[in-house]
Amino acid sequence: KNQVEQSPQSLIILEGKNCTLQCNYTVSPFSNLRWYKQDTGRGPVSLTIMTFSENTKSNGRYTATLDADTKQSSLHITASQLSDSASYICVVSSYTGGFKTIFGAGTRLFVKA
Amino acid sequence: NAGVTQTPKFRVLKTGQSMTLLCAQDMNHEYMYWYRQDPGMGLRLIHYSVGEGTTAKGEVPDGYNVSRLKKQNFLLGLESAAPSQTSVYFCASSYLRDYEQYFGPGTRLTVT
Repeated sequence: KNQVEQSPQSLIILEGKNCTLQCNYTVSPFSNLRWYKQDTGRGPVSLTIMTFSENTKSNGRYTATLDADTKQSSLHITASQLSDSASYICVVSSYTGGFKTIFGAGTRLFVKA
Repeated sequence: NAGVTQTPKFRVLKTGQSMTLLCAQDMNHEYMYWYRQDPGMGLRLIHYSVGEGTTAKGEVPDGYNVSRLKKQNFLLGLESAAPSQTSVYFCASSYLRDYEQYFGPGTRLTVT
């Protein structure tokens, strides 16, 4: 069964600290993996997109890594800010004659002053 | 550019009532999607469209219908609302299928 599991479910960190969010998937064959940020009451916003040949992608203070062999990805946030408080969603797409996309349930990040 | 817009933002329906959610995008994207987001779950695809006049079922299509008469608009209809359809609905669009998607702000629907 194709699945995307994210951990932790929620996380509280102090402003200025770094954190890493995890995404494990069983979706196969792999097409791409995306990370989105979703602020409360808003739609998701794309952070990074990685295909099979990419193992790292940065967007400002956000750095995503991908290990296609172990089917794991991580999102590292550097020097967190209060505005980083949001849900972070991992999305994995597969293509086998038709597209299949699975959204993770997300990690809820709280950044405290 | 407005990106992806959705109307209405909030709606309360009684069981059995019908309504239509409107999604509009100004990025000339071919692909458009309707998702629902429920607490503790990932977004689930209801229906999608690969171009004007074409639609297809997603993961949870039952109880919903869609239409894409114009490239920039994608409508989601509920013919007879049920409490199980209480959710937040997101529309999205993309240039490539299942690649970078741009999401609207969402519609919060409550069915009593």
